[in-house]
Amino acid sequence: QVQLVESGGGVVQPGKSLRLSCAASGFSFSAFGMYWFRQAPGKGLEWVAVLSYDGSKKYYADSVKGRFTISRDNSENTLHLQMNSLRAEDTSIYYCARARVDYDFWSGSSPWGQGTLVVVSS
Amino acid sequence: QSALTQPASVSASPGQSITISCTGTSSDIGDYNYVSWYQQHPDKAPTLIIFGVNNRPSGVSTRFSGSKSANTASLTISGLQPEDEGDYYCSSYTSARTVVFGGGTKVTVL
Repeated sequence: QVQLVESGGGVVQPGKSLRLSCAASGFSFSAFGMYWFRQAPGKGLEWVAVLSYDGSKKYYADSVKGRFTISRDNSENTLHLQMNSLRAEDTSIYYCARARVDYDFWSGSSPWGQGTLVVVSS
Repeated sequence: QSALTQPASVSASPGQSITISCTGTSSDIGDYNYVSWYQQHPDKAPTLIIFGVNNRPSGVSTRFSGSKSANTASLTISGLQPEDEGDYYCSSYTSARTVVFGGGTKVTVL
């Protein structure tokens, strides 16, 4: 079955960097667009970034543009999120998710991983 | 990237129907059929229950249905059951090539 497992979360000081990873299995990873979302404690969902199947197209939320970079390694079935210049407001559970279908990554995301918690605090 | 507008909470008794609205603009819901709805139970990851305004993924109950009129999308849950309790989020593609979410609606089964 399709499985997504995030890792790399933890506590980091403001201004520092962190790299999240999402290991994918159970489907043809290189054929699907992939997403990062986040959810601050007790708050709603926020879209972070999306990356096309081949890495050629990437789009970001304004709140992270210029600080975060989404990337993928199709040979390792892994999605990454490089987070630089972290701020307190970046504290969230970060979820990776697969595009619902391989031919249109805007048509919803399913499934989602269980998430990894990032806490930005001094 | 302004958030979509959803009611904070909706409640009803088992067996009743509820409708959750999701209001956007002509730059998102009004211009695209890329409206999705997600269900989230406490301490769990969200799951997709509606895509493309009114389509259910395989395995999602037929009690869930979606619709859209102008800049407002809606999710209807018919025959409300205790397991439907949770948070529901709408999302839409936008003309800026981004995704925007609603603030979420907490559904309580009385």
